[in-house]
Amino acid sequence: QFMLTQPPSVSGAPGQRVTISCTGSSSNIGAGYDVHWYQQLPGTAPKLLVFGDNNRPSGVPDRFSASKSGTSASLAITGLQPEDEADYYCQSYDGSLSGSYVFGVGTKVTVL
Amino acid sequence: EVQLVESGGALVQPGGSLRLSCAASGYPFINYWMVWIRQVPGQGPMWLSRINSDGSGKNYADSVRGRFTISRDNAKNALYLQMNSLRADDTAVYYCARASTRRYLDVWGKGTTVTVSS
Repeated sequence: QFMLTQPPSVSGAPGQRVTISCTGSSSNIGAGYDVHWYQQLPGTAPKLLVFGDNNRPSGVPDRFSASKSGTSASLAITGLQPEDEADYYCQSYDGSLSGSYVFGVGTKVTVL
Repeated sequence: EVQLVESGGALVQPGGSLRLSCAASGYPFINYWMVWIRQVPGQGPMWLSRINSDGSGKNYADSVRGRFTISRDNAKNALYLQMNSLRADDTAVYYCARASTRRYLDVWGKGTTVTVSS
C-alpha cells in the first residue's frame, strides 16, 4: 500500500527546533488535499496533533506547527520538550485510490 | 467524554474469520463517517475501510477488498469489521477512528490485537 515518505528519525536537544518532512505526489498532497499530523507515544494509539491549515486540537501546545507546499508538508516542533519524544505520522487523502486515507511511514523524534 | 472502544481481537488460524466491534459514546455517532485502521508494530498506520454516516457508502483498501466488510448499527452506536480469509500479514493492532469532513481522524480507540497464526 502506498505511503507518504518521511525521514525515519530526527533528534534535537531540549529547547531546539526540529522539523519533519512528509513527501507525497500529485494525487494526494499535490492535488491540494489537506495534510494532518499525529503523535504516537509508545503503546498508545495515534493522537491528532495538527490538522488542515495549521490547526491544533484543544490541549495541543502551540510549539507544534505545520505547513504545506506543492507535494510536500512539514511539521515543526519549536522548544523541544522531553515529552515530545514519540513517533510522528503525516496523513493525507489520495484521489486516485477510492476513499483512501494515506499515512506516512513515520518519524521517530528523539530528545537528546 | 468522546470515546471509542474496540473489541473482538484474538488469535485466529490462517483462513479463519473474526468480527471486530467498536463502541462509540459521548457524541452523535450517526453524524460521523467512521474508518478502520491497522498498524503493525514498528510500521505506520494503514487505512483499511471507510463507511459513511448512514452505512450506504463503503470503501476498502485493495489489500482487504473482498475479504473484509465494514458495517455500522447507528441504533447501537456501533461499528463493525467482519474479517474473512485471514492471512498472516493481517496480524496487527486494529483501530477504529472517527473521520471528519476534512478527512482527518480526530478520535481513535485504544485498539484491539489480531494475530493470525497456526
